[in-house]
Formats: sequence, structure tokens, C-alpha cells
Amino acid sequence: DVKVTQSSRYLVKRTGEKVFLECVQDMDHENMFWYRQDPGLGLRLIYFSYDVKMKEKGDIPEGYSVSREKKERFSLILESASTNQTSMYLCASSLNRVGGYTFGSGTRLTVV
Amino acid sequence: DQQVKQNSPSLSVQEGRISILNCDYTNSMFDYFLWYKKYPAEGPTFLISISSIKDKNEDGRFTVFLNKSAKHLSLHIVPSQPGDSAVYFCAALLSGGYNKLIFGAGTRLAVHP
Repeated sequence: DVKVTQSSRYLVKRTGEKVFLECVQDMDHENMFWYRQDPGLGLRLIYFSYDVKMKEKGDIPEGYSVSREKKERFSLILESASTNQTSMYLCASSLNRVGGYTFGSGTRLTVV
Repeated sequence: DQQVKQNSPSLSVQEGRISILNCDYTNSMFDYFLWYKKYPAEGPTFLISISSIKDKNEDGRFTVFLNKSAKHLSLHIVPSQPGDSAVYFCAALLSGGYNKLIFGAGTRLAVHP
């Protein structure tokens, strides 16, 4: 069974901390994505990557960065966590354009 | 500016009846549409999709209709079951080779006995 695994289900961090969210996929997919889900706003794209060491900004990249050193791993970094980054973070991967996404279970991050 | 809109935040339906979830879009360059289903504390899972060259796609109890002239699509679930209670997201792909999905805000469906 193919999988996208997010390292943490729940995280609580303090304002100003640097936060790493890890995502690993075992499907050899080229494309990986980070979204955040907030009530009434749906899923908004933060960053995505089409290949190793390649990254593109999504719709809301401010305050975030990403790293993709290996094909299977895509990390989201909150450089200095703020309370408005409290959210559900979802990682996804896809093989091709119409193959659809496979999502991880999500990380609920609370910044206090 | 939201390019994919789900204007109904919630929908309540009786078990066995039809559920109709609606989605509108503004960008005529979208050429592929997908529906995802999400349970609490889980990631979204793919449900059904439709290409812009079609107006209907059916998979078991789920049917998606696309009206390109109205820039509107809908998901029909017949018959609705309590296990269908979840948040449903409409998503769209822009033509041009990129597979960056643009999601709507979601509709919470509650199917009650």
C-alpha cells in the first residue's frame, strides 16, 4: 500500500522557534506538495517541488521554506513560528498530472 | 481571489437520499477537476475526477457533472450513507502541464439516519 508519511501528528511549539515538518513518500513520485488547511479557507498551497533540489512557491509561502535533498523526502520549515501559523499541515505527492494526489495524515501544529 | 468556490459550508442529508455538493470556478483554463473526501484527523483521499472534455463521470454511488458554460460542477452521491459524512473538497488543475491542484474551501456533509 503506497504511503505518504508525516513524521508528527501533533506538535506544540513556542513563538519564535524554528520548526521542521517532515514528509516521506514511498511511491517514487516526482512531485511533492505542502498545503495548510484552515476552516473556511480550504487547502492552500505553501510550496511544491517537481524534482530533487527544486522548489516553487505556492500561494502562501511567506514565513516558510522547504528542502528536498532526496526524491522521497520533502521538508517544510517554519523559520520563526508565529501564532498565525497554527494550522493543519498536509503533505502530498503525485506521479503525474491527472494521477491525483496521495496525502499524508497531516500534522496539527499549535504555536503558543 | 478564490478561483474554486464551494459556497455551501455544510449540507445535511437523510440516509438513503441524494447528496448534491456544488462547486464553481472562475478560471476557464482549468481542464481537469477532482473531488476529495476528508475525515477528521486524516488526509484527504481521492474520490472521483472529470476531464473538461466530458460532462459526466460515474463511479458507483458517485457521479460528477460538469457544466463548462456555467463553470460549475457538482458531485452527486446516491444513496447517501452515514459513512459518507466528511468534508468534501473540489479541486481543479490548470492546463499547461502543471499538476498544482487548486482547492475550494470544502463542504461538510452530514448524513443522518
